[in-house]
Amino acid sequence: EAGVTQFPSHSVIEKGQTVTLRCDPISGHDNLYWYRRVMGKEIKFLLHFVKESKQDESGMPNNRFLAERTGGTYSTLKVQPAELEDSGVYFCASSQQGEKLFFGSGTQLSVL
Amino acid sequence: GNSVTQMEGPVTLSEEAFLTINCTYTATGYPSLFWYVQYPGEGLQLLLKATKADDKGSNKGFEATYRKETTSFHLEKGSVQVSDSAVYFCALTLYSGGGADGLTFGKGTHLIIQP
Repeated sequence: EAGVTQFPSHSVIEKGQTVTLRCDPISGHDNLYWYRRVMGKEIKFLLHFVKESKQDESGMPNNRFLAERTGGTYSTLKVQPAELEDSGVYFCASSQQGEKLFFGSGTQLSVL
Repeated sequence: GNSVTQMEGPVTLSEEAFLTINCTYTATGYPSLFWYVQYPGEGLQLLLKATKADDKGSNKGFEATYRKETTSFHLEKGSVQVSDSAVYFCALTLYSGGGADGLTFGKGTHLIIQP
C-alpha cells in the first residue's frame, strides 16, 4: 500500500513568487492534515480536511495561504506571494476517523 | 492553551547507552500523549502513545509513562542503537478516541547515536 506522498520534496523560490505544494493521502483516508515546521520551532497545525470540506483551518497563518482538496482526494497548498518567513518543512498527513495518523516525508520550502 | 516542551537537542550518545528524552505538557483538559519519530528522509511515524494517566506506551524497546501528577511523558530506552538516530517529537491531543486529530507538537529532539 502506498503511503502519503508529497511533491515536490524541495522547493527554492524567491520572495514574491508563488509555490504550490501537493499531497496525495493514502487511498480511502477521509482526513487530510497540513502541518508546518519552521526551523527550530514546533510543528504547527495548519488545517484539516474531511473529504473535500475544510473541518478546521484555524492554523492557517494568513490569506497568502490557500488549501484545496477538490474531489476529496489529493490536496494542494498554495502560497502566494511567498515571504521569507514561509520557509520551513510542510508536512501532510492522513487518517481514517480516530485512527493512526500517517505522515508524508514533507516538502522543504526555502524562500530567498 | 495547550503546549508541549521537550529537551533541546541534539542529544549525542554512544551505542548501548541509556536514553531519556524529557517531555512535559500543559493542556486545558485530559490529553492523549504521543511520541513520533522522523528518520532521515522519511515522514513522521507514530512510535508510541498513551491515552490516560499511568498508561505506559511501548514500541521497539522505547517506553513512556503518562504521569498526570508531573504532566510528563518522558521517552526512555535501555540500550540505544545507531539505527535509533532520528528526530523525536512529543505531542498531545485533546480529541477523544485516542486518535490523532488536532495534534500539538513539541519542537523535536535530534538524537545522534555514535557507534
